[in-house]
Amino acid sequence: DGGITQSPKYLFRKEGQNVTLSCEQNLNHDAMYWYRQDPGQGLRLIYYSQIVNDFQKGDIAEGYSVSREKKESFPLTVTSAQKNPTAFYLCASSIESTENSPLHFGNGTRLTVT
Amino acid sequence: AQKITQTQPGMFVQEKEAVTLDCTYDTSDQSYGLFWYKQPSSGEMIFLIYQGSYDEQNATEGRYSLNFQKARKSANLVISASQLGDSAMYFCAMRERYYGNNRLAFGKGNQVVVIP
Repeated sequence: DGGITQSPKYLFRKEGQNVTLSCEQNLNHDAMYWYRQDPGQGLRLIYYSQIVNDFQKGDIAEGYSVSREKKESFPLTVTSAQKNPTAFYLCASSIESTENSPLHFGNGTRLTVT
Repeated sequence: AQKITQTQPGMFVQEKEAVTLDCTYDTSDQSYGLFWYKQPSSGEMIFLIYQGSYDEQNATEGRYSLNFQKARKSANLVISASQLGDSAMYFCAMRERYYGNNRLAFGKGNQVVVIP
């Protein structure tokens, strides 16, 4: 079955450590996205990529980095520069970057930094 | 500026009743798409329904329908015949063609609890 896989589901890190969240899709989608969700809030866009080897900052990119070396993969690194990294992270993809293409989401990674 | 507004407090709805979730949006673009997603307590985001700005008919998908009023910039979700499994957060989202590089902007969500 095609879909988006995020791993791990739960992640715990000490403050000051970088951590990388995995996102893989086998939907053959061109566009991929990372969102952050805080309790009781909507989703905020961190980074997105419309094609391989290209990505753009979203609304809250500070303290995060991404790469898009393969169409299927879009890992997100939460660096020590991110002041408040504890959150729920959702990866998504869409077949193309047009206004009528829905995003399909993975199951998310819940990151806790202490 | 917030592009998607969902202001209803948490809602309790009786099983088998219909529920309407409000969503208003703000855009200067003529071409845009509106989406509704469901997020159960497990966390995944489930795509429910899509409405294009040029669509003249209101979108429907099974028990979900979208009451699209373009002049009012509203895109309310109607869930008919509520089921216990409908208990979740519901998010309205918009994707513009020219502004925002086709990114999906989300509202803050509506909490729905279906009671037997």
